[in-house]
Amino acid sequence: GQNIDQPTEMTATEGAIVQINCTYQTSGFNGLFWYQQHAGEAPTFLSYNVLDGLEEKGRFSSFLSRSKGYSYLLLKELQMKDSASYLCARRTGANNLFFGTGTRLTVIP
Amino acid sequence: DAMVIQNPRYQVTQFGKPVTLSCSQTLNHNVMYWYQQKSSQAPKLLFHYYDKDFNNEADTPDNFQSRRPNTSFCFLDIRSPGLGDAAMYLCATSSDRAAYEQYFGPGTRLTVT
Repeated sequence: GQNIDQPTEMTATEGAIVQINCTYQTSGFNGLFWYQQHAGEAPTFLSYNVLDGLEEKGRFSSFLSRSKGYSYLLLKELQMKDSASYLCARRTGANNLFFGTGTRLTVIP
Repeated sequence: DAMVIQNPRYQVTQFGKPVTLSCSQTLNHNVMYWYQQKSSQAPKLLFHYYDKDFNNEADTPDNFQSRRPNTSFCFLDIRSPGLGDAAMYLCATSSDRAAYEQYFGPGTRLTVT
């Protein structure tokens, strides 16, 4: 398999910051993606990292360490609408994405 | 608005009865993908088309076939659905293999009775 590991569930408070970690198999690595998926809906693209470091996009940031096979998604100023599953996916070769099982985030008031 | 469209959103079929799911896109993207997502599991790539070039994943069962008659449309055919094939089927597109963003359709939820 693709050995993508991320926590199954997380809970955080509205207005807070939450970090969702992902570890992956490093062989054949060609990019790391984060997608958001609300229940019963399609995944929507959040971020893409191919080089080490932090990519920031509004309230969402994603970090990558290729040598460690590690990424995280950071969500700031949490809103209730951020309750969703967050899927970590690695790309290999010709743009094939292999997804982790996702982290179900629940934002509470 | 440009988008990826999947019809129907919900499909019920009988055990062993062939079923076809459809996907269309107005993005004029070269690459179209089909993923299977079972409950509480990750989306799993079944196959993809790069233009007319079909690329099957090694572990995709023979029961699953695909057709792409033109750039806009792609079909997923399940020849003899089993109970284990009940899942959400997601279609996605990207502008080419180097493009990193895949655009997903809303999915078709397949129930097998």
